[in-house]
Amino acid sequence: GQNIDQPTEMTATEGAIVQINCTYQTSGFNGLFWYQQHAGEAPTFLSYNVLDGLEEKGRFSSFLSRSKGYSYLLLKELQMKDSASYLCAVRDSNYQLIWGAGTKLIIKP
Amino acid sequence: IAGITQAPTSQILAAGRRMTLRCTQDMRHNAMYWYRQDLGLGLRLIHYSNTAGTTGKGEVPDGYSVSRANTDDFPLTLASAVPSQTSVYFCASSPGRGGNTEAFFGQGTRLTVV
Repeated sequence: GQNIDQPTEMTATEGAIVQINCTYQTSGFNGLFWYQQHAGEAPTFLSYNVLDGLEEKGRFSSFLSRSKGYSYLLLKELQMKDSASYLCAVRDSNYQLIWGAGTKLIIKP
Repeated sequence: IAGITQAPTSQILAAGRRMTLRCTQDMRHNAMYWYRQDLGLGLRLIHYSNTAGTTGKGEVPDGYSVSRANTDDFPLTLASAVPSQTSVYFCASSPGRGGNTEAFFGQGTRLTVV
């Protein structure tokens, strides 16, 4: 079966750095996505990785290791508005997105 | 404002009733999707359409049907609603299937079947 694993919940302090991990086992691989979802709202796109390595976009970076079936999302200089759920999704061999359950990130002052 | 619109935003529905959730996008995206999101579970694909005139079944299609008569509209129909279909439903679209083609989501429809 196909599986995406993420921690259910994480807590971090405003101004700090947090790393959210994602491991996957899927039928094929055609890219990995990270989305942000605030409570009661729709998911919004954060990043895309298809090759191994780090993709940096402002305060957010995403890393991929295809051989390990592993990715992480790194959030720097945390702000209160970063409190949200972060969803990891892998596009499989059929070009369908397989979604993790999401990691709820709580930011404390 | 370009984007993807769902209607209604919320609905309470009696079990056994028929219901159509509407989804319209104005971005001329080829691919459209319907997901349901339940607490503790990831987004699960119900049905998808890679292009107008074609549809396919996702991970949890039972009890749901879709049509794609044109590029912009992708309605989801519950033929006879059951309480297990209580969920938040998201419609999404993307320009294509491959590459860095992010999916854009509607604001969601919160459906309660009683």
